[in-house]
Amino acid sequence: GEDVEQSLFLSVREGDSSVINCTYTDSSSTYLYWYKQEPGAGLQLLTYIFSNMDMKQDQRLTVLLNKKDKHLSLRIADTQTGDSAIYFCAESIRLPGANNLFFGTGTRLTVIP
Amino acid sequence: EAQVTQNPRYLITVTGKKLTVTCSQNMNHEYMSWYRQDPGLGLRQIYYSMNVEVTDKGDVPEGYKVSRKEKRNFPLILESPSPNQTSLYFCASSLKGGNQPQHFGDGTRLSIL
Repeated sequence: GEDVEQSLFLSVREGDSSVINCTYTDSSSTYLYWYKQEPGAGLQLLTYIFSNMDMKQDQRLTVLLNKKDKHLSLRIADTQTGDSAIYFCAESIRLPGANNLFFGTGTRLTVIP
Repeated sequence: EAQVTQNPRYLITVTGKKLTVTCSQNMNHEYMSWYRQDPGLGLRQIYYSMNVEVTDKGDVPEGYKVSRKEKRNFPLILESPSPNQTSLYFCASSLKGGNQPQHFGDGTRLSIL
């Protein structure tokens, strides 16, 4: 599989901004995704960005893509305690005969009240 | 309600006793996939299926089998489970291809003693 890397932990205070970073290796990726996993639950798609875009904003979420450095980030403005979860970055690769998704290790975000 | 349903949610069993984890989706999706989630490793793909009767290996297929006889179902079979298959398993589906947004089930936690 492809290498998608994230730091394992991030702590922020309630009301601050959180920035979760991700690096990937395959320059032929088509979409890049952010998923959120709350305790005991499956993965919920938060947002995604097409590889020819630099930025996407969706309410409190901002995704930045630096294709040259193969770096993706997710910024959460005004972080709330309900944002505490594991966040996974994933890149999609168009392989011959298949299209697959490769996940990072996940970043556990802890929001301190 | 559009969903991916896995059963069972939790299972404790013993080495060598064959087990099947079922996965069903009601969205008429062509693509289905199985992942396992382990601490510090993120999600790794076990097997995927592009459509009925089409299955292929992911990154960690050893010790697993799958089948796709119908569009909605994609069971994961462990013929002779071993302790290193103790993990959290997720089934996912997407409309066409793994590079599109995938919908995840709530997960199955397997413990093999």
